[in-house]
Formats: sequence, C-alpha cells, structure tokens
Amino acid sequence: GAGVSQSPSNKVTEKGKDVELRCDPISGHTALYWYRQSLGQGLEFLIYFQGNSAPDKSGLPSDRFSAERTGGSVSTLTIQRTQQEDSAVYLCASSFLGSNNSPLHFGNGTRLTVT
Amino acid sequence: AQSVAQPEDQVNVAEGNPLTVKCTYSVSGNPYLFWYVQYPNRGLQFLLKYITGDNLVKGSYGFEAEFNKSQTSFHLKKPSALVSDSALYFCAVREAGNTGKLIFGQGTTLQVKP
Repeated sequence: GAGVSQSPSNKVTEKGKDVELRCDPISGHTALYWYRQSLGQGLEFLIYFQGNSAPDKSGLPSDRFSAERTGGSVSTLTIQRTQQEDSAVYLCASSFLGSNNSPLHFGNGTRLTVT
Repeated sequence: AQSVAQPEDQVNVAEGNPLTVKCTYSVSGNPYLFWYVQYPNRGLQFLLKYITGDNLVKGSYGFEAEFNKSQTSFHLKKPSALVSDSALYFCAVREAGNTGKLIFGQGTTLQVKP
C-alpha cells in the first residue's frame, strides 16, 4: 500500500514540554526503526522494533526518550521535557526482514524545533 | 563493527558529465550495502543495493554502483548527470546480526550545475 507515513510533519514546542511523534509503517513490514538527523549531520540510529518488542534501544540518547509500538504497526516516539538539542528531523523507516538485502523504506520525517 | 565512509562532503559536476560519489566500507562477513538519496525536506529514498556476485548494480533514476571487493568500495555512478540529481546521498551498510539496522555514512552533497 502507501509508504511510511509520519505525523506531524513539523512540530514547534517550548523547552520543557513533552512531544509525541507518530509513525505508520508500510503494511506487512514487521521491522520498524527510528533515526534522528540533526542539521548537517548524518543519520543517528535511535531504536529498532521487531513486532511490538524493541530488542535494540541502544541509540536512545537519554531516558527522556521512549518509544512504543502497538499491534505490530503504528509506533510513537515520545520525548519528555524537551531540550533545544533535541531539535532535529526524526525519521521512521520500516522493512520486511526477509533477507539481508531488504532495504529500509523511510517516511518524510518530523522536523522538531524546540524553542 | 560494520561502518561506511564517504570521504567527500560535496561533489560538484557539470550537467551532462559523469558523476561519482565515493563510499568505502568495513564489514565482517558478507557486505550488505545500499545507496539512498535525500531531497530537501524529504525522507531518504532507496536507490540501489549490492547483490552478491554483481560488481555493477543498476538502480533507480539511471544510477548504478560499482562494487570492488579488493578496495572495499561501493561507489555510486551515473554516466550523465542532471541538474535534478542535486541532492544529499547516503551510503549505508547493514549491521551484522539480526536487527536489520543500517549504519549510514555522513552523506555527500551532489551539486550538478547547468
């Protein structure tokens, strides 16, 4: 069906507020990933889901960051008490892990600005 | 650990000329390599992937990539650049294990001038 969908596309929030970012993966894709792209930087891995479980959370920068996935589909990335350094584009990707050369399919991202 | 390096921050080429965007890799085991393109304010679009045994891989939009095992390289190429090819290009390698996670290079900005 459709590609990976992320919402909102842009989010401006005040320092200290909580934000939720949503990702709707491609139907049937069991693997879901969150990455962060800061201005002028490459892609930083945050967390990986296989189904509803997250076997790799190694990229979450602090305990203010958390994510969940329900029904093996939609995922939400939550950032509590946002800081200015959290400003970045948050990208979600999904994949069918049928083989090692299955590509990741990315959404258009959520641009988060913390003022 | 798996890693990729893109040695050039920016590549400039004139429209109609061939282009090359470089990528070298370091892996233990078989390499699973990918190229992605990112246009402004968009996510990453998959261009092509390495297929074991194929030293020249063809992908979307006329791009191809040359795999060289002895030089551990996977350079992105196109015979004739278009202004519309101007974008940010990322090389990536799949991490060993079963997460499927991709490790990305820092990206190379391609600027094609008319």
